[in-house]
Amino acid sequence: DTAVSQTPKYLVTQMGNDKSIKCEQNLGHDTMYWYKQDSKKFLKIMFSYNNKELIINETVPNRFSPKSPDKAHLNLHINSLELGDSAVYFCASSQPSGGKEQYFGPGTRLTVT
Amino acid sequence: QKEVEQDPGPLSVPEGAIVSLNCTYSNSAFQYFMWYRQYSRKGPELLMYTYSSGNKEDGRFTAQVDKSSKYISLFIRDSQPSDSATYLCAMRTGNQFYFGTGTSLTVIP
Repeated sequence: DTAVSQTPKYLVTQMGNDKSIKCEQNLGHDTMYWYKQDSKKFLKIMFSYNNKELIINETVPNRFSPKSPDKAHLNLHINSLELGDSAVYFCASSQPSGGKEQYFGPGTRLTVT
Repeated sequence: QKEVEQDPGPLSVPEGAIVSLNCTYSNSAFQYFMWYRQYSRKGPELLMYTYSSGNKEDGRFTAQVDKSSKYISLFIRDSQPSDSATYLCAMRTGNQFYFGTGTSLTVIP
């Protein structure tokens, strides 16, 4: 049983294209996140949604737009892809403040050529 | 200054050694402290979670939190080659999680 799943696992695309990454969690969590992990393994928060409502929106280019159709899904759409967008993108989920840990998906390795 | 500081290593130890991994932080609002293990090309998986100062043990792993010094540690006893991974510390306040840069560990058979 996969707790947090992401598709696709690998994404290779050209500069200027638009792409989407999907995330689903079956843990019943209320909060979902998108992180970007660069080549040096640093995990940087991008967005967080709680019950379909955006609660964290870090300084990322507005080419990145999250969408949460329901609390089990959080998708990430990226417009006009750039070389610097190449990274691994992780989706994660957790319960709100009263909860504890955060569970991660397997990651989507995005390569922009 | 970053919210969470972690030595990136790399750290290389012989099998059976005791490993000590550390993080420091600056934000007194952090309430929860976690250690994640990340194997190559995989997502981070939660190893240990603590709330208060003190020690928490789980098998070969011990997590230690010193809130007065803003310092957390993860100890791995009898390290195994399967422990070779990147270890990330993480801290939480509200819905915000802050991660260290990760320490790359290799356990040599």
